[in-house]
Parts: sequence; C-alpha cells; structure tokens
Amino acid sequence: EPEVTQTPSHQVTQMGQEVILRCVPISNHLYFYWYRQILGQKVEFLVSFYNNEISEKSEIFDDQFSVERPDGSNFTLKIRSTKLEDSAMYFCASSRFGSTEAFFGQGTRLTVV
Amino acid sequence: AQKVTQAQTEISVVEKEDVTLDCVYETRDTTYYLFWYKQPPSGELVFLIRRNSFDEQNEISGRYSWNFQKSTSSFNFTITASQVVDSAVYFCALSDTNAGKSTFGDGTTLTVKP
Repeated sequence: EPEVTQTPSHQVTQMGQEVILRCVPISNHLYFYWYRQILGQKVEFLVSFYNNEISEKSEIFDDQFSVERPDGSNFTLKIRSTKLEDSAMYFCASSRFGSTEAFFGQGTRLTVV
Repeated sequence: AQKVTQAQTEISVVEKEDVTLDCVYETRDTTYYLFWYKQPPSGELVFLIRRNSFDEQNEISGRYSWNFQKSTSSFNFTITASQVVDSAVYFCALSDTNAGKSTFGDGTTLTVKP
C-alpha cells in the first residue's frame, strides 16, 4: 500500500540554524500538508499546498517557515533560524484531488538545542 | 469553523475492562470525514478508522468499535477487553471538503494497567 514517507525520522539542530524536513507524498496525490505537534499537545495544521502554491496556512506558519515542491516527488518544509519552541514532531500528509482524506507520514521529530 | 472536542484528557483502566473514548465535532459542511488515530509513545500517527458523513453505520474491527451519531455530532470509540498494548494517546480528527485539511482534538491518553 502506498504511503507518505518522511526523512529524517529525528533531527537535532542548534538554535538559529536552518532545517529542511523532507516528505515524499503518495505519487498520485495533488494536495500536500504539514502539521506540527509540540510534545504533549495536539496535532496542529500548518499549511496546505496545491498546484505549486500555498492554498491555506495557519497563524503558526509565519515568515520563518516556507514550503516547496522542488521536483516531482518531494515536498519540503524549511524552517529558517530555528528557535527552541520549534521543537516538535512534524507530520507531512497528502491527499488526492477531490478527496477529504489525508494520509499521514510517520513524522520527523525536530529537536532544537 | 471546525472543532473537535475530546473531553476526556486521561483515562486509566485495568486490563480487560471496556473503555469508550468520546469525540464531539462541529462543522458546517455536509460532507466530511471523521478519523481516529492512535499515537503510541514512539510518536507516529497510526490510522485506525475513517468514516464519511453519509455513512452512519457503526463499525467493529476486532476489539475496536465506533459509534457515529450525526444527531449528536459524536464519533465515539470503544475498546473491548482492553490490553496493555492499547496504552497510547488517541486522537479524533475531522476533515472537510477543503481537500483533506484535518482538525484534531486534543487527544485522550489511555493507560491500561495490568
């Protein structure tokens, strides 16, 4: 069964550094999402992406964040100048056009020290 | 605006007890999906069930069962004869016609003691 793949599974970075989290969505999906889960809290929507542009973003998704689909398969989340409070699990998800079901990846645990 | 409420923050049961996790949702859409996910201590989200808004049939899968009632906007999850391995955080989620953007509840931490 096709699945969403995220790499790395765990990343440790120093405060102020830039990180790129990578996701390979399911191949025939057209909508892509990033979610964040701070430890012990709920999963929060960050951004959705369709047709090579952001379709919706939450108030969490400020100028520090950006998303990109650099080629036909990858979908990335870049965090510039990371802060301690960016430490969280980041989930990528994708869905088909016209579908209301998103498939989630296994998550990348980001630790900012 | 969408909202998912999981009123139970933590539940603790003894093995073999039945336990029900509550989920109440709010949406203005007539077409939507409801989900339950399990999040074990390792952190990944494990998909358990998807139910669309037009299908109110209850579902049973092994020890798991789900009760969807549109009249009360609830989608409750019952584990029968709970086991220690069921210990996890369980999230209820709602996605609307916005191509799958999901709204999650706060989660319920289930602890099953031997």
